[in-house]
Amino acid sequence: EAGVAQSPRYKIIEKRQSVAFWCNPISGHATLYWYQQILGQGPKLLIQFQNNGVVDDSQLPKDRFSAERLKGVDSTLKIQPAKLEDSAVYLCASSLGTILAKPYEQYFGPGTRLTVT
Amino acid sequence: GENVEQHPSTLSVQEGDSAVIKCTYSDSASNYFPWYKQELGKRPQLIIDIRSNVGEKKDQRIAVTLNKTAKHFSLHITETQPEDSAVYFCAASNRRRILTGGGNKLTFGTGTQLKVEL
Repeated sequence: EAGVAQSPRYKIIEKRQSVAFWCNPISGHATLYWYQQILGQGPKLLIQFQNNGVVDDSQLPKDRFSAERLKGVDSTLKIQPAKLEDSAVYLCASSLGTILAKPYEQYFGPGTRLTVT
Repeated sequence: GENVEQHPSTLSVQEGDSAVIKCTYSDSASNYFPWYKQELGKRPQLIIDIRSNVGEKKDQRIAVTLNKTAKHFSLHITETQPEDSAVYFCAASNRRRILTGGGNKLTFGTGTQLKVEL
């Protein structure tokens, strides 16, 4: 089966600019996650969607980050304005989204490496 | 919230030796513990996972053990090979929260850089 797709793979912007990332989850996966992975650290969840509804956005810096999943499939993550500390890899993951389903594992996309200068 | 600690941060072993990575978690409600392998510049790949109703799981050279009482779990790699060299992350989540409308986010450890030397 096709994996989680993300674009772009790399992005370099100046601070205070805006940027958007796109994710296409595995077909049929109801749950979609955006993680931020700073160099040398483990991924940290930013936001979780179940279909097109937000389940958890407690760690999303809402003053500058936003995300949407309008039709319950693709998702976009936006940063506006970007700060130097936003430099990281942004990983999208998806899962079937039900405790009764197997697999319930989260499958990660290749990520978008963002550099803010 | 959940906090996952992982040790060691770096591990160097000789080819053929065993490697052990340990993690502890804080939330007793966590019930799902996956391990991910991440090669440089690539996505995290699930290599093995364990649920809280199981104490041990093995898949060829890889095994994971879970001690719910002590709230720690470990990854064991036997007969290590150079291609095992990577960063390994442990994680924890509560899958049951899905039933109550909550998230089942993975809380990751800080990672272990494993180097298998010839």
